[in-house]
Amino acid sequence: SQTIHQWPATLVQPVGSPLSLECTVEGTSNPNLYWYRQAAGRGLQLLFYSVGIGQISSEVPQNLSASRPQDRQFILSSKKLLLSDSGFYLCAWKKGPGSPNEKLFFGSGTQLSVL
Amino acid sequence: AQTVTQSQPEMSVQEAETVTLSCTYDTSENNYYLFWYKQPPSRQMILVIRQEAYKQQNATENRFSVNFQKAAKSFSLKISDSQLGDTAMYFCAFMKLPTNAGKSTFGDGTTLTVKP
Repeated sequence: SQTIHQWPATLVQPVGSPLSLECTVEGTSNPNLYWYRQAAGRGLQLLFYSVGIGQISSEVPQNLSASRPQDRQFILSSKKLLLSDSGFYLCAWKKGPGSPNEKLFFGSGTQLSVL
Repeated sequence: AQTVTQSQPEMSVQEAETVTLSCTYDTSENNYYLFWYKQPPSRQMILVIRQEAYKQQNATENRFSVNFQKAAKSFSLKISDSQLGDTAMYFCAFMKLPTNAGKSTFGDGTTLTVKP
């Protein structure tokens, strides 16, 4: 069966410090991968998505970057965090295009507080 | 670009009663999926129900059903026999076809509280 792992669960970082959030998927190959951010009490905003190794698409201009060094690994990074980067970050995956039962599978999320 | 609107920030329902959550969307696409996702207090997002736009029949999953009105661009979720475990934030989401990128657009959510 497929599983998705996201860590850490919580993170408190000072302004100006670097960031690295990691997400890995098991039990599938060539998944589409996504990073979403959820502001308090709000919906999900798509930050990045990837349809293959090394292929990253950014949805919104921001202080963050993403990388996909391996097929089932997706990393969200920043060189210098801003206060506005605080939020709940969710990694998600779905099967490749044309698969039946289209849906997103979500990780457990990372609550990032930038102080 | 697609937009998804959930006009009810908060709702409550008594246990065992029925509640309907509203969702409207705006798109020029003809083929797409619509979803309802649930985010309980644990914040683990899970799929509740999915509707393919090309299907006229409304999707059902046990106590959960949808009322899909394509022309009106409306996609409401009905929860029957509400249970305490249904307390969560519910998000309506849109994914256009083909799903090569599979990007989903989410509404701002409706917080549902089921009261004993």
